[in-house]
Amino acid sequence: AQSVTQLGSHVSVSEGALVLLRCNYSSSVPPYLFWYVQYPNQGLQLLLKYTSAATLVKGINGFEAEFKKSETSFHLTKPSAHMSDAAEYFCAVRASGGSYIPTFGRGTSLIVHP
Amino acid sequence: SQTIHQWPATLVQPVGSPLSLECTVEGTSNPNLYWYRQAAGRGLQLLFYSVGIGQISSEVPQNLSASRPQDRQFILSSKKLLLSDSGFYLCAWSYPGPETQYFGPGTRLLVL
Repeated sequence: AQSVTQLGSHVSVSEGALVLLRCNYSSSVPPYLFWYVQYPNQGLQLLLKYTSAATLVKGINGFEAEFKKSETSFHLTKPSAHMSDAAEYFCAVRASGGSYIPTFGRGTSLIVHP
Repeated sequence: SQTIHQWPATLVQPVGSPLSLECTVEGTSNPNLYWYRQAAGRGLQLLFYSVGIGQISSEVPQNLSASRPQDRQFILSSKKLLLSDSGFYLCAWSYPGPETQYFGPGTRLLVL
């Protein structure tokens, strides 16, 4: 079984401040982890993914995430927030078990204040 | 390159009417296909997925059904819509295995 928990349904930051979106996962086998971003009334698009290579993963738009097995976490960070980063962010896990059915977190809405 | 299409973009339907949402993928073959529903504040709910033509797995019991009549075509249907069927419906595809999912633009369904 696998699950994903995103702490905080809303995160508010000022423009230029650090962005930290939290994701904890549960998986009985080594997981594949993803962060997706969704802008209003659009589909999701991939920010970055972890597939058992380097634990620090760099993605698009200056985002990165670090896989920490001991903490079962895959938090998303960005050093300096831009207004254009305001969106919904989803963490997802896909674990082995035959079908690799993905499980998504409930999402975190990032609000960026000028 | 691969692209995924969904239509219609927006749909307003009365309770009890039928539904048909279509999703097509271009530029790849034998993709895994997925239907999700997104309700406000509730994240993504996986409704159906398919690993091949005619192979449909249902994740949540409901009055919806899915079909895959062709390799790159995935259809979401209902015979009688309920108010609770309102939401944002997303189609996605991926290569087999734990690969990235690529999402379509979505269909906003409002059942009145």
